[in-house]
Amino acid sequence: AQKVTQAQTEISVVEKEDVTLDCVYETRDTTYYLFWYKQPPSGELVFLIRRNSFDEQNEISGRYSWNFQKSTSSFNFTITASQVVDSAVYFCALSHANDYKLSFGAGTTVTVRA
Amino acid sequence: AAGVIQSPRHLIKEKRETATLKCYPIPRHDTVYWYQQGPGQDPQFLISFYEKMQSDKGSIPDRFSAQQFSDYHSELNMSSLELGDSALYFCASSRPDNSYEQYFGPGTRLTVT
Repeated sequence: AQKVTQAQTEISVVEKEDVTLDCVYETRDTTYYLFWYKQPPSGELVFLIRRNSFDEQNEISGRYSWNFQKSTSSFNFTITASQVVDSAVYFCALSHANDYKLSFGAGTTVTVRA
Repeated sequence: AAGVIQSPRHLIKEKRETATLKCYPIPRHDTVYWYQQGPGQDPQFLISFYEKMQSDKGSIPDRFSAQQFSDYHSELNMSSLELGDSALYFCASSRPDNSYEQYFGPGTRLTVT
């Protein structure tokens, strides 16, 4: 069985603050994929990043960065210098090789106030 | 670049009616996934198709059926609609050499009254 836990239901910050979203996963497979998606109020699911289980290198993309640690089964996401446009629900998700359906966490609602 | 197309974007039905949602994957994508996202919930996997055959099944009610056609588009048929079927339905597609990367459509918002 696979499971994704996003313990933070809601986070509210003031513009320019940093915000870190936690994601903890459970899986028995050795090959798996981790994702982050953004869902703005308009409703579409926007792909942010994919990480393979065998690649623990952290990644930075503009104001976004991701910290993948297999030892703690975590794949955390940080938004640096948050902006109002970052307000959305963020989902962490997990899939496996040969079974690519996504299992999503419950999502974290981020509200950035001006 | 072409994206996944879903139609209709919005649909309002009454209880006990039927609904058909359509999904047109990105060209040359051979796998289609359907997800259901209830209000305030995370997306839940319903069903997937690979090369026109059902490849996996999740928590899809027996009242729902789906298929993938020869042109790879897919349809989700929902009968005897219930209030609890009100949700955002996403379709996603992936290509043969990159099955773990799913591209999502904009979703169909179904409201059952």
